Formats: sequence, structure tokens, C-alpha cells
Amino acid sequence: EPEVTQTPSHQVTQMGQEVILRCVPISNHLYFYWYRQILGQKVEFLVSFYNNEISEKSEIFDDQFSVERPDGSNFTLKIRSTKLEDSAMYFCASRPDSNQPQHFGDGTRLSIL
Amino acid sequence: AQTVTQSQPEMSVQEAETVTLSCTYDTSENNYYLFWYKQPPSRQMILVIRQEAYKQQNATENRFSVNFQKAAKSFSLKISDSQLGDTAMYFCAFMRLMNYGGSQGNLIFGKGTKLSVKP
Repeated sequence: EPEVTQTPSHQVTQMGQEVILRCVPISNHLYFYWYRQILGQKVEFLVSFYNNEISEKSEIFDDQFSVERPDGSNFTLKIRSTKLEDSAMYFCASRPDSNQPQHFGDGTRLSIL
Repeated sequence: AQTVTQSQPEMSVQEAETVTLSCTYDTSENNYYLFWYKQPPSRQMILVIRQEAYKQQNATENRFSVNFQKAAKSFSLKISDSQLGDTAMYFCAFMRLMNYGGSQGNLIFGKGTKLSVKP
């Protein structure tokens, strides 16, 4: 069964550095998402992406964050000037059309030191 | 704004018994989906079951079933014949539908219920 894949599984970065989290959605999927889960807390929506543009974003997704689908395969989340509070599990998800549930990747654990 | 509430932070059940996890939500929307996701210690997010709000019949997937009460905005998950592999965090999630039947699709999650299945 096709899967959403995320790399790396664990990223350790110094505070203030930029980090790029990578995702390869399932190939025929059209809608892409990033979510965040701070340890011990609930999963929070960050951003959705459709037709090569952001379709919706939460208040968490400020100017520090950006997303890109550079080559029709990868879907990346860039976090500029990372802060300690950016430490979390970041999940990528995708779905084929508007009436199907989302498939999640295994997540990237981001640790900011 | 929509909210999802899971009032049971932790629950435990004996293997082979039945357990029910509670979820309530608040929305002014009429068309939406509800989901239960499972997150085992490996931290994956796995879809367990989904319910379309326009369907009156409760969804069922093998040992998993829901009790969907639209008027009460309640969406509980029942796990029958609990197995050790059911030990996980369970998240209830809401997704609204746009008027044309599509959806932006972003999920709104509850805080989760940690379920432990004991041998």
C-alpha cells in the first residue's frame, strides 16, 4: 500500500538555524498538509496546500514558516530562525480528493537545542 | 470555530473486553466528517474509522464501531474484544465540508485518550 514518507525521522538543530522537513506524499494525491504535535499535546493543523498554493493556514503558521512543492514529488516545510518552542513532532499528510480521509506520514521529530 | 473535546485523558481495559472512548464536538456546520485516529507508541497516525455527518447509520470497521449522535454532537468509539495491540493514544478529529461538497480538509483534533489494554 502506498505511504506518505517523511525524512528525516529525527532532526536536531541549533536554535536560530533554518530547518527543512521533507515529505513525499502518495503519488496520485492532490491535497497536502502539515501538522504539529508538541510532546504530550494534541495534533495541531499548520497549513494545507492544493494546486501549488496554500489553501488554508492556522495562526501558528506565521512568517517563520513556508511550504513548497518544488518538483511535483516532494512537499517541504521550512522553518526559519528556529526557536526552542518549535520542538515537536511534525506530520505530513495527503489525500487524493476532497472526500477522502488523510493519510499521515510517520512524522519528523524536531529537537531544537 | 470548531472544537473537539475528549474528556477522558486515560483509560484502561482488560484484554478481550469492550471499551468506549468519548468525544464531543462543537460546530455550527451541518456537513462534516468525524474521524478516530490511533497513535501507537511509534507515533504514527493511523485512521481507525470515519463517519459522514449526513449518514445516520453508525460506521463499523471490524472490532471498531462508533455511536454518532448528531443532535448531541457526540461521537464515541467502541472497541470490542480489545487486543494488546490496541494500546495507543486515540484522537477524535473533525473536518468540515465546504458547500460544494469538497473540503479544505484540515483536521481539528481533540487532546486524545491514552488507552492501555492489560493482559
